[in-house]
Amino acid sequence: ETGVTQSPTHLIKTRGQQVTLRCSSQSGHNTVSWYQQALGQGPQFIFQYYREEENGRGNFPPRFSGLQFPNYSSELNVNALELDDSALYLCASSRRTSGKETQYFGPGTRLLVL
Amino acid sequence: AQTVTQSQPEMSVQEAETVTLSCTYDTSENNYYLFWYKQPPSRQMILVIRQEAYKQQNATENRFSVNFQKAAKSFSLKISDSQLGDTAMYFCAFPNFGNEKLTFGTGTRLTIIP
Repeated sequence: ETGVTQSPTHLIKTRGQQVTLRCSSQSGHNTVSWYQQALGQGPQFIFQYYREEENGRGNFPPRFSGLQFPNYSSELNVNALELDDSALYLCASSRRTSGKETQYFGPGTRLLVL
Repeated sequence: AQTVTQSQPEMSVQEAETVTLSCTYDTSENNYYLFWYKQPPSRQMILVIRQEAYKQQNATENRFSVNFQKAAKSFSLKISDSQLGDTAMYFCAFPNFGNEKLTFGTGTRLTIIP
């Protein structure tokens, strides 16, 4: 157990809809990163939040957006869902100190877009 | 940009045997660190081991050890006395300096045969 939780575990949406995924960080962690993992592939970095500010973004369009709250929990929002957004979405938390932190992952949310 | 390559898509070994998973990477940085993560069918990404580039000694965690060759940019994972619970996808990951964005390899699917 990493202490990182995600909800929901599974989700089915239709193309064009919007979705919000949630992540609760491990206690004491102030940084959260989101990754998209397509079937059979390694995770791809979406973005990271540190102290409620975006701190780095991968090659994902603006319809992928996020929030980090004062308690360091986080949301990933995806607008105008496309079929290719079907994937496992992972969040990972860490405690920023020296810049060489280890990320601890949640169990993921499986999103299916029909 | 960092790249991470895992050249073994699938491997299988008998229970109690030793197996080595390969990973190579490319970076222009000098002070960095590397991870191996394990993702069992439950989907939870679990940290296996971490290696600091400045350390000459290879990291070890119980049955898991690495062979880190900095000059060759090679970072292999050795699993000794393999157990059925070791069956999983194994990912090599390289963090980007500054925001810890992880670049993952494509993974190696390891099956432990009873």
